[in-house]
Amino acid sequence: EAQVTQNPRYLITVTGKKLTVTCSQNMNHEYMSWYRQDPGLGLRQIYYSMNVEVTDKGDVPEGYKVSRKEKRNFPLILESPSPNQTSLYFCASSLSGGVPQHFGDGTRLSIL
Amino acid sequence: EDQVTQSPEALRLQEGESSSLNCSYTVSGLRGLFWYRQDPGKGPEFLFTLYSAGEEKEKERLKATLTKKESFLHITAPKPEDSATYLCAAVRSGGYQKVTFGTGTKLQVIP
Repeated sequence: EAQVTQNPRYLITVTGKKLTVTCSQNMNHEYMSWYRQDPGLGLRQIYYSMNVEVTDKGDVPEGYKVSRKEKRNFPLILESPSPNQTSLYFCASSLSGGVPQHFGDGTRLSIL
Repeated sequence: EDQVTQSPEALRLQEGESSSLNCSYTVSGLRGLFWYRQDPGKGPEFLFTLYSAGEEKEKERLKATLTKKESFLHITAPKPEDSATYLCAAVRSGGYQKVTFGTGTKLQVIP
């Protein structure tokens, strides 16, 4: 079954404590991306990757890091989380181009 | 700046009452217009891709259409299981296809 798997699904943490949200896809897709979803703002792209070792900033990259060392994995790293990063995060993948075809089920982050 | 606006924000329909959702866009060099369905607690699920004005796509009770300025998602005789938030996204052509999402229409179908 085609899947994008995110972990954790829920996380409550405190300001400044580094965290990583993992994302893995089993479709051999080249393109992967991270979005955050906030009420009234829609989905906004944080970072994307066109292939292994190729990443670039999306619309709202400040405060986030990513890496793509393997084709299937695309972790999102918050080195020093702040309350304004409290949001619902989605990882997505696609075979080609930037349009996300498959989304994970989301990670709800609360930064206190 | 690329913009995608969806209306209405929320729509409540009786089962069987057909209606349309609107997605208007301002995107330079539109590559395509995409529709997704999002259920509570889930990621968006891809529904349709439209590439050129006049194009139509259908899936069960849903039909998506595209003009040069907007797209419509028509829902014919909806059922309660069609209740969800519907998102549209516009993609600009280019080396990397930048995607701009609308904020969605939350549809509730009442039995």
